[in-house]
Amino acid sequence: GESVGLHLPTLSVQEGDNSIINCAYSNSASDYFIWYKQESGKGPQFIIDIRSNMDKRQGQRVTVLLNKTVKHLSLQIAATQPGDSAVYFCAENPQTSGSRLTFGEGTQLTVNP
Amino acid sequence: ETGVTQSPTHLIKTRGQQVTLRCSSQSGHNTVSWYQQALGQGPQFIFQYYREEENGRGNFPPRFSGLQFPNYSSELNVNALELDDSALYLCASSRGAPGGEKLFFGSGTQLSVL
Repeated sequence: GESVGLHLPTLSVQEGDNSIINCAYSNSASDYFIWYKQESGKGPQFIIDIRSNMDKRQGQRVTVLLNKTVKHLSLQIAATQPGDSAVYFCAENPQTSGSRLTFGEGTQLTVNP
Repeated sequence: ETGVTQSPTHLIKTRGQQVTLRCSSQSGHNTVSWYQQALGQGPQFIFQYYREEENGRGNFPPRFSGLQFPNYSSELNVNALELDDSALYLCASSRGAPGGEKLFFGSGTQLSVL
């Protein structure tokens, strides 16, 4: 079936560096994408979302880029902090499925002090 | 904190038993979704409730069932538990009619089936 995949299962960065987490999706019908952060023992926490009519969206220290041509989504975190260490999931919402989200397997981000 | 609360936080059951998990949605949210998250994997959609009716279901057998109440809280029931049902069960709420809106998740119920 359709799936959302992540290019790297783990990412290790130094505190203060910028982080980029990538995601590939395969369902061309998806029109809404979300990034979630999940810390150990907690549920996914909303970070930022983007609709398919946009290429870029910025939040506080985070930017999401969407390339529909190659079905690629990325999350950029500026000035990464130790508190950013977590598993990051991208999720897609195919237009035909109501609001069920399809999640990828996640990327473990580790920020070294 | 998202305002979505789930109970219990942890639960241990034996194979063949039945379990009920509960979720209170964030204030103002009328749509509730349930997800199953196995260890090391992303959440998998179980089903969604909107205005007390099931509004979409993932690839889960009928022994997974749910309810939504007039106050928008929800229950997830699993009958005839199997070992593979061991997972983190997440509830998420959202506002308005289903369709592309962001979901706010609770902290989940960790279910262990022995």
